[in-house]
Amino acid sequence: EAGVAQSPRYKIIEKRQSVAFWCNPISGHATLYWYQQILGQGPKLLIQFQNNGVVDDSQLPKDRFSAERLKGVDSTLKIQPAKLEDSAVYLCASNRGQQTYNEQFFGPGTRLTVL
Amino acid sequence: GENVEQHPSTLSVQEGDSAVIKCTYSDSASNYFPWYKQELGKRPQLIIDIRSNVGEKKDQRIAVTLNKTAKHFSLHITETQPEDSAVYFCAASLGSARQLTFGSGTQLTVLP
Repeated sequence: EAGVAQSPRYKIIEKRQSVAFWCNPISGHATLYWYQQILGQGPKLLIQFQNNGVVDDSQLPKDRFSAERLKGVDSTLKIQPAKLEDSAVYLCASNRGQQTYNEQFFGPGTRLTVL
Repeated sequence: GENVEQHPSTLSVQEGDSAVIKCTYSDSASNYFPWYKQELGKRPQLIIDIRSNVGEKKDQRIAVTLNKTAKHFSLHITETQPEDSAVYFCAASLGSARQLTFGSGTQLTVLP
C-alpha cells in the first residue's frame, strides 16, 4: 500500500510569513495526526483527527496554527504568522482506527526553517 | 502533567554487544507502548510495540519489557549491528484520547 504523503518536503520562510503543509494519509485510515518534531526532541502531537472531526487539539497553538481535514481524507496544517521557534519538522501520521494500539504510519515530514 | 522520560540520550556500543534503552511514564492507565526507530532525515518507523496485558515481547534481536507496577518499559537490542545506529523513541498512550506521547529519544551508535 502507498504510504503517507506530505508536501512540500522543505520550506524556508521569514518570520511573520504564512505557510501551509499538506498530508495525504494511507487510504482507508480514519485517524490522522500532525506532530511537531523540534531538532533533538521526540515528536509532539499538535492535533488528532478522527475522519473529519477533531479528537484532540489541546497542544495546538491556536493563535497561529490551524488545521483542517475536509472530507475526512487529506489534511492541511497552516501557520500564520510564523515565529522563529516554529522551525521544526512537521510530521503527519495515520492509522486505521481510534484505538491508538493500531500502528501509526508516519509521512516523510516537512522541514520548516523560519528565518 | 503527562510525561514520558527516556534514558540515556546517547548510547554507544561495540558491534555484537547489547543495547538497553529505558523509559518511564506517568499515567498508570496507559495501555500501549510502541518503540520507533528514526534514521537521520527519515520518518519514524515502528520496530516493536507492547500492550499492557503482557510483560515481554520479542522479535528476533529486539525485545521490549514492561513493568506496570513501576511504570517503566525498556527496549533491548541484542547482537547489535552498524545498521542499528539511529535515534530510538519510546512512546506511551496517554490522555483521554489515548494519543501517543513520545520520549526525547536515544541516539544509538554501534561501533564496528
